[in-house]
Amino acid sequence: EAGVAQSPRYKIIEKRQSVAFWCNPISGHATLYWYQQILGQGPKLLIQFQNNGVVDDSQLPKDRFSAERLKGVDSTLKIQPAKLEDSAVYLCASSFHRDYEQYFGPGTRLTVT
Amino acid sequence: GENVEQHPSTLSVQEGDSAVIKCTYSDSASNYFPWYKQELGKGPQLIIDIRSNVGEKKDQRIAVTLNKTAKHFSLHITETQPEDSAVYFCAAHTGGFKTIFGAGTRLFVKA
Repeated sequence: EAGVAQSPRYKIIEKRQSVAFWCNPISGHATLYWYQQILGQGPKLLIQFQNNGVVDDSQLPKDRFSAERLKGVDSTLKIQPAKLEDSAVYLCASSFHRDYEQYFGPGTRLTVT
Repeated sequence: GENVEQHPSTLSVQEGDSAVIKCTYSDSASNYFPWYKQELGKGPQLIIDIRSNVGEKKDQRIAVTLNKTAKHFSLHITETQPEDSAVYFCAAHTGGFKTIFGAGTRLFVKA
């Protein structure tokens, strides 16, 4: 079974620029999560989708971050404009359903200069 | 708000010794407690989990215990090996289906 795919793996941008990350979950997984992991910390949930609907986006900085999951499969996370404090690893995870174990992708390491 | 505290932040053991990592959670409605291992440059990988209707679960060299009354749970790794060196995260799945992670424990196993 293929795992969660993410791209790009690394991205370096200047502050105030925009960036987008892509995630392809495990086939058949209804729930998709985006996490932000700052160096030395645990992952922090940004947004959770159930199929193509948003279940929880309470910790998503909506003035600059947006995410979508069209057709309930792939998802994109966008940051516009980026700030220095957005430097982190952005992890995508998926699960069969909301109360099941989560499988993580390798993450995208974002550096904002 | 919902919170998971994890201790210690760093743990160094000799190969063959046991390692114990402890976590406490705040949301009494939490019902699922996974543990993840994260190696450098990779995403977290589930190593063991426990649900609130069980007090202990074991899988070869790793075990997890849960005390719902005290709202804490622990990871036990026996006969540690150098390849166990990694960052370990505990997490709690809250009543609102949100997963809250601890800050992580960096485990060093010295050969």
